[in-house]
Amino acid sequence: DTAVSQTPKYLVTQMGNDKSIKCEQNLGHDTMYWYKQDSKKFLKIMFSYNNKELIINETVPNRFSPKSPDKAHLNLHINSLELGDSAVYFCASSHVTGNSPLHFGNGTRLTVT
Amino acid sequence: AQTVTQSQPEMSVQEAETVTLSCTYDTSESDYYLFWYKQPPSRQMILVIRQEAYKQQNATENRFSVNFQKAAKSFSLKISDSQLGDAAMYFCAYRRDQGLGGGADGLTFGKGTHLIIQP
Repeated sequence: DTAVSQTPKYLVTQMGNDKSIKCEQNLGHDTMYWYKQDSKKFLKIMFSYNNKELIINETVPNRFSPKSPDKAHLNLHINSLELGDSAVYFCASSHVTGNSPLHFGNGTRLTVT
Repeated sequence: AQTVTQSQPEMSVQEAETVTLSCTYDTSESDYYLFWYKQPPSRQMILVIRQEAYKQQNATENRFSVNFQKAAKSFSLKISDSQLGDAAMYFCAYRRDQGLGGGADGLTFGKGTHLIIQP
């Protein structure tokens, strides 16, 4: 199946831990993104990469570090997790041209206790 | 910076009837794209419809259509013959187009409208 797949689907961890979320797309897109959806369902972009180059780095704590080993992968590593990091994190991909819609993964629900 | 406003946090409609979800946006760009995404309880983000700002004709996809008013910066979604499966959060989104590279900005989303379908 052609898709954007992210793992894990659920992540429950304690404060202070470090965790990673992985994302892969097989759609041949050149641009990938991380979005955060908060408890009120608001979606906000965190990062975008185009051809492995960081394009957007919104006001996100330094504890969040994206890594793009190739155009098909964009992982998100989070250090020293805090309660406020609890959210759903979506990976997405698209062509860089504006008329290309974003294709989203199914999200990772992160719960920090 | 672009902003997208959805003024209806929640809407309710009877099955088989028509409902319109509102969206306005603010931008200084002349070229851009607008999208509606649906997020059912499964959490999946599903593209519903897309509109190019340079096109005057309103986009349609089966029971879904938009009313795009560029001068008013308005982009409403009409769902005809509502079905139980249409129940979801609906997000309006904006994406600028400055040729190659402009799309790496991704989408700017509104806060969403929760659509309830009454059987």
